[in-house]
Amino acid sequence: NAGVTQTPKFRILKIGQSMTLQCTQDMNHNYMYWYRQDPGMGLKLIYYSVGAGITDKGEVPNGYNVSRSTTEDFPLRLELAAPSQTSVYFCASRNTGELFFGEGSRLTVL
Amino acid sequence: KNEVEQSPQNLTAQEGEFITINCSYSVGISALHWLQQHPGGGIVSLFMLSSGKKKHGRLIATINIQEKHSSLHITASHPRDSAVYICAVSIAGNQFYFGTGTSLTVIP
Repeated sequence: NAGVTQTPKFRILKIGQSMTLQCTQDMNHNYMYWYRQDPGMGLKLIYYSVGAGITDKGEVPNGYNVSRSTTEDFPLRLELAAPSQTSVYFCASRNTGELFFGEGSRLTVL
Repeated sequence: KNEVEQSPQNLTAQEGEFITINCSYSVGISALHWLQQHPGGGIVSLFMLSSGKKKHGRLIATINIQEKHSSLHITASHPRDSAVYICAVSIAGNQFYFGTGTSLTVIP
């Protein structure tokens, strides 16, 4: 099992550009999450999904969109990138047990 | 107000020392999680517990539900234990609150 795979690991965007962070898990987990991690702050929930076809907003959803067309995939779309979206992004998944995280995606918006 | 508070924020120890990291929370939880993040690296789950105590190798995690407090202990610390340790609580609805982390440096 690969676990949770995130791509890309690093990306630099210009203000106003768009991009998609990819997340795939091969553990047949129902729950998937997108978090952002900023220096000195705890992980903040952007969006989450409880199963294919179902998504919901977290604490900081503005400027982001998600979809969950399959159990495995949970991409995060950034529309009109802004400097405030410079952060490290983590995808995670679980069923009822421990959380499994991807390696993270470091995004810089200039 | 943070639902999860960790202390200390930063910790430096000599190799071999016994280390304790504390976590307090203010919400009703279904479980508490301890996570480890190496510099520039991903996040891995160390423990998930809802009562009592768990042990993996040199790591021990305890939780007191009545006091809403958990501790992570590292015995015989080693430089490879240097990392950020994050406390998280899972609540109803499968959501999580995260602490800001404790940055541990173990000096040889």
